[in-house]
Amino acid sequence: SAVISQKPSRDICQRGTSLTIQCQVDSQVTMMFWYRQQPGQSLTLIATANQGSEATYESGFVIDKFPISRPNLTFSTLTVSNMSPEDSSIYLCSVEDLGVLLDNEQFFGPGTRLTVL
Amino acid sequence: QKEVEQNSGPLSVPEGAIASLNCTYSDRGSQSFFWYRQYSGKSPELIMFIYSNGDKEDGRFTAQLNKASQYVSLLIRDSQPSDSATYLCAVNQAGTALIFGKGTTLSVSS
Repeated sequence: SAVISQKPSRDICQRGTSLTIQCQVDSQVTMMFWYRQQPGQSLTLIATANQGSEATYESGFVIDKFPISRPNLTFSTLTVSNMSPEDSSIYLCSVEDLGVLLDNEQFFGPGTRLTVL
Repeated sequence: QKEVEQNSGPLSVPEGAIASLNCTYSDRGSQSFFWYRQYSGKSPELIMFIYSNGDKEDGRFTAQLNKASQYVSLLIRDSQPSDSATYLCAVNQAGTALIFGKGTTLSVSS
């Protein structure tokens, strides 16, 4: 499976500021996704990061709040803008490579633990 | 609204017993079914996936899928304390993001 890294691993931020999270994969992948996991909750999809075009956002998530970039097939960023304490969460990048066999397992990065004061 | 339902637990089993985790899903178009294990403070780790009706075995783990009943389960044989974690059921169609259940917390006592 692909090796996925995320930066930063954790951060503590002041409300009103923004944080950009990076996701790097060691091989080219077809699909990249960003999820959020709030304390004690399951994973919620924020958006699908599309290479070379605008991300596809899920209901309840907007580009102004969570701008996403995907300049190539191995890298993506998620920015959490104008943060509030409600944004305190773990943010996870996941990847899927459809490949030749059309297996579509998704693998997760280690996550970024964000605390907003 | 596509949904995945799991009993939140906690499910408590003694060491050596079989742990049975269950999941139902609402989207009949779902094609792929996954079980992830998540230890506290860690990201989800894929442990099993299944695409076809029936059973799929991998070591101590067996995934079972019944598409007619929209039901998928995970059996863990010879449960160990190290199996104590939250188990997340997820479903999707190829090329789309996963839809997760809320997870079942498993506690294996020694």
